[in-house]
Amino acid sequence: DARVTQTPRHKVTEMGQEVTMRCQPILGHNTVFWYRQTMMQGLELLAYFRNRAPLDDSGMPKDRFSAEMPDATLATLKIQPSEPRDSAVYFCASGPGTSANEQFFGPGTRLTVL
Amino acid sequence: TQLLEQSPQFLSIQEGENLTVYCNSSSVFSSLQWYRQEPGEGPVLLVTVVTGGEVKKLKRLTFQFGDARKDSSLHITAAQTGDTGLYLCAGAPTDTGRRALTFGSGTRLQVQP
Repeated sequence: DARVTQTPRHKVTEMGQEVTMRCQPILGHNTVFWYRQTMMQGLELLAYFRNRAPLDDSGMPKDRFSAEMPDATLATLKIQPSEPRDSAVYFCASGPGTSANEQFFGPGTRLTVL
Repeated sequence: TQLLEQSPQFLSIQEGENLTVYCNSSSVFSSLQWYRQEPGEGPVLLVTVVTGGEVKKLKRLTFQFGDARKDSSLHITAAQTGDTGLYLCAGAPTDTGRRALTFGSGTRLQVQP
């Protein structure tokens, strides 16, 4: 049963600390997405990769956030330094790259920045 | 302003009732998707509609794509407690060149036993 995995599932940290979230996309999927979900803003796209190349990171605060795909089996989202307003659930999704851009989501990382 | 407006935002009904939720936009979409999200989980893809006027059925769920491909609806017949969750529509509008999906704000459905 192929699925997207994310680690950690929960993270509590203090303001100013670095946070790294990891995602393993479904084997064979060539698109990877990072989203942030809050009650106020809903699901917001942060970054989008195709074949490991970043295609759209316009939703990501560039000064503190960075997203990379070191290889096809790992995507990372890093926040440095973290701030309380970054508290949210961060989802990774992967897709087979069809024209409809169907996506399969991981279980998310719940981040709390104190 | 949300590119995809979903209504209602919240819906609480009794088991056995029927309901319809809507996803509307002023933009044209080549396709729209519906996802359901349960607490503590990521959204799960339910269906993709591609052709204007298309109707797709998934057991008790009926999805329709508007003729002009600007809107979609989800109808649930005889709702069950297991249908409880956040329903999200998503799509990439054809006029922006943006290839990533935009998600609506969702309809939060609570089905009471």
